[in-house]
Amino acid sequence: AQSVTQPDIHITVSEGASLELRCNYSYGATPYLFWYVQSPGQGLQLLLKYFSGDTLVQGIKGFEAEFKRSQSSFNLRKPSVHWSDAAEYFCAVGHDTGRRALTFGSGTRLQVQP
Amino acid sequence: DVKVTQSSRYLVKRTGEKVFLECVQDMDHENMFWYRQDPGLGLRLIYFSYDVKMKEKGDIPEGYSVSREKKERFSLILESASTNQTSMYLCASPPPGARSNSPLHFGNGTRLTVT
Repeated sequence: AQSVTQPDIHITVSEGASLELRCNYSYGATPYLFWYVQSPGQGLQLLLKYFSGDTLVQGIKGFEAEFKRSQSSFNLRKPSVHWSDAAEYFCAVGHDTGRRALTFGSGTRLQVQP
Repeated sequence: DVKVTQSSRYLVKRTGEKVFLECVQDMDHENMFWYRQDPGLGLRLIYFSYDVKMKEKGDIPEGYSVSREKKERFSLILESASTNQTSMYLCASPPPGARSNSPLHFGNGTRLTVT
């Protein structure tokens, strides 16, 4: 069965600092990988996705993620964090068939200090 | 723009009550999902449906059932609510043909409290 691990429950960074959120997955085939963000009081929004090809993917709001098959990882990065990035971030793994749902990690809550 | 609507934002129910959570999408989507979100556990799949009257169990279906009589509506039913079902419930649906069912369009959630 597929699974997703986000080892960091809570991260605090200073505004302007760089950010990396970790995500490790377990999946028997080539995974489809996603990062979603949930801002306070808001619904979940897709940040970026990886299906195939270039292992470095760009998303919205200046985020990027790198797929590393050897490490089973798909870490999310941002070079300079803004206060509005404070939110909860979820990594998810999906299937290539149309009937299966995404499996989400437990989430990482990001706090941004002024 | 895709719209997934959950009828209630907040619900308070008593233990043993039968509870219906409603979800409607307005884009003729085939696939619809119910997740529950709990702190430290992320989103866990309860049930999903890929067509009218079709349903499949997710990872945590115990204590829940679903109904999909019309394509646009996917209902989650708590047959006899218990306090451990206090949670945020999220309905989601991807656009037709979405690769790997993403992006998922989420409703705003229903925060259910069972007392």
